[in-house]
Amino acid sequence: EVQLVESGGGLVQPGRSLRLSCTGSGFIFGDYVMSWFRQVPGKGLEWVGFIRSKPFGGTEYAASVKGRFIIARDDSKSLAYLQMNSLQTEDTAVYYCTRGSMVRGVPFYWGQGTLVTVSS
Amino acid sequence: DIQMTQSPSSLSASVGDRVTITCQASHDIRNYLNWYQQKPGKAPNLLIYDASDLDTGVPSRFSGSGSGTDFTFTISSLQPEDIATYYCQQYDDLPYTFGQGTKLEIK
Repeated sequence: EVQLVESGGGLVQPGRSLRLSCTGSGFIFGDYVMSWFRQVPGKGLEWVGFIRSKPFGGTEYAASVKGRFIIARDDSKSLAYLQMNSLQTEDTAVYYCTRGSMVRGVPFYWGQGTLVTVSS
Repeated sequence: DIQMTQSPSSLSASVGDRVTITCQASHDIRNYLNWYQQKPGKAPNLLIYDASDLDTGVPSRFSGSGSGTDFTFTISSLQPEDIATYYCQQYDDLPYTFGQGTKLEIK
């Protein structure tokens, strides 16, 4: 069974940084594209970005986070990361880690989400 | 960016009713469309991928159709456990984008 568990959310001041982690199990982690999505409570869903598997390499980001957020992965530990820098109040959301296919970041499987609140 | 226009934004129906939600893309997305169900406090759950393929374990009362720019999601006989918000999402091009959601309630 595919399982994804996010951690690292919490309250952070504007301008600060926070790193989210996502642990995957039930599949060969290194074979799949890992993505991050977010959802402002009570609002719609937004794609944040994804990281391809090693054979394909590279990352893609939404314009709203490009240059501030970095997605990384450690396949030896079945971990994906979302490093969030220069956080703004509008980044407040539940952040979801998802698993895609081997070549696409389409969110077939979702974690339970972790809440990030950016506030002074 | 490809805009996804989903309607209606909310819907009230009775148990046993046939329910239909539509999603229109601003550009041709071929059949690269997913439908998700999201219950309060939970992550979205994939129901349909590639516009019309039912994900594993999803009840057959759920179905999807369409290609190009116009898509339809149908629940053939509404059940109490189907109360949720439903989203369409395109993955033909980056950024992946979602419809604004349809909140489904029992009448």
